[in-house]
Amino acid sequence: AQKITQTQPGMFVQEKEAVTLDCTYDTSDPSYGLFWYKQPSSGEMIFLIYQGSYDQQNATEGRYSLNFQKARKSANLVISASQLGDSAMYFCAMREVGNTGFQKLVFGTGTRLLVSP
Amino acid sequence: EAGVTQFPSHSVIEKGQTVTLRCDPISGHDNLYWYRRVMGKEIKFLLHFVKESKQDESGMPNNRFLAERTGGTYSTLKVQPAELEDSGVYFCASSQEEEDGRYEQYFGPGTRLTVT
Repeated sequence: AQKITQTQPGMFVQEKEAVTLDCTYDTSDPSYGLFWYKQPSSGEMIFLIYQGSYDQQNATEGRYSLNFQKARKSANLVISASQLGDSAMYFCAMREVGNTGFQKLVFGTGTRLLVSP
Repeated sequence: EAGVTQFPSHSVIEKGQTVTLRCDPISGHDNLYWYRRVMGKEIKFLLHFVKESKQDESGMPNNRFLAERTGGTYSTLKVQPAELEDSGVYFCASSQEEEDGRYEQYFGPGTRLTVT
């Protein structure tokens, strides 16, 4: 069963506006971590922001913030003051402990964000 | 500090041929991961090395895929013989445990493999 769900295949936003990219997750582990990565057209995966399950406050990194609602199992990414360079694919991921006890990432299908002038 | 590098960036091969992908992790990172994204689908975990040891290869599709990590440094992923469904982008990532235990994974630019 898919453990990370990104329901928005594509999103459009105008420059300087804020946008929210949705992510819901499913896990029975009490300890987990949630990540957002950006993949521009050049292909590399860029780490944006991390939220630990025990973190009391929502994570923020510059213009990126994570709206973490633990009871709803959602970890939405908010980008404030969008810029043209924000146009990219965005992936939500969850750190999962595998059968060996080591960690790996489980990804959603991604959301393509297009920022227009 | 150099990031994760992958070679080649693109590879186009015919069905039945062999291809070897290479990943150089960030220096000093013990953890090395391979992931794959097939067009339009999610990025999926393939396997995980700690130094030279395979810790988890539960995501490897079948025995046509062979991964090695020589001396705990760079890693190779060989596909032999390649099939059409192997087409996709293969990502490598490396990590070292952070103080807060978050194991942030740093990704390489990926290798786009096309099997025709």
